[in-house]
Amino acid sequence: QVQLVESGGGVVQPGRSLRISCVASGFTFSDYAMHWVRQAPGKGLEWVAVISYDGSNKYYADSVKGRFTISRDNSRNTLYLQVYTLRAEDTAVYYCARDSRRYFDWLSNFDFWGQGTLVTVSS
Amino acid sequence: DIQMTQSPSSLSASVGDRVTITCRASQTISTYLNWYQQKPGKAPKLLIYGVFSLQSGVPSRFSGSGSGTDFTLTISSLQPEDFATYYCQQSYSTPIYTFGQGTKLEIK
Repeated sequence: QVQLVESGGGVVQPGRSLRISCVASGFTFSDYAMHWVRQAPGKGLEWVAVISYDGSNKYYADSVKGRFTISRDNSRNTLYLQVYTLRAEDTAVYYCARDSRRYFDWLSNFDFWGQGTLVTVSS
Repeated sequence: DIQMTQSPSSLSASVGDRVTITCRASQTISTYLNWYQQKPGKAPKLLIYGVFSLQSGVPSRFSGSGSGTDFTLTISSLQPEDFATYYCQQSYSTPIYTFGQGTKLEIK
């Protein structure tokens, strides 16, 4: 069965950096685009970033562009999100989600999700 | 940017009720609209994609309709396990994927 397991969250001081990971199993990871979605405490879902199946294309929400970097290692079945210059408003549960498609497009939907990892930005 | 607005933001209903949640896009998104369900402390779950299509394993009491800018999610007969928060999401403006603000469905 498809499993996505995030890790790497924690309490981080403002301005610091962090890398969160998502390990995939139960499917051919290199066949699917992948996303990061976050959810601030008590708030709704916010799409953060997407990467194509081979890592050749990446896109970001305006709110994180220039500060976050999405990447993947298909040999390790792992998705990453490197977050720089963290701000209080980046406090959220970060979910990885599998795209239903190899290359994200209009038909994309997020068909499997991990359980999330909490990042708290606080001094 | 395309904005997605759901109504109502919260809703109280009873087991057995028929419930409709509305999602409106700020511009046309054709039929590129998905719905997710999220229970407290859990990850979201895909319910419906492409306006109408039920994800595998989703009960048939869930249905979707609409096109252009106005969409609805209908639950024909509420079950106890359906009390959750529901989100619409547009994929028209790929690679930017916008969610609605959510509709919390509570037990009356």
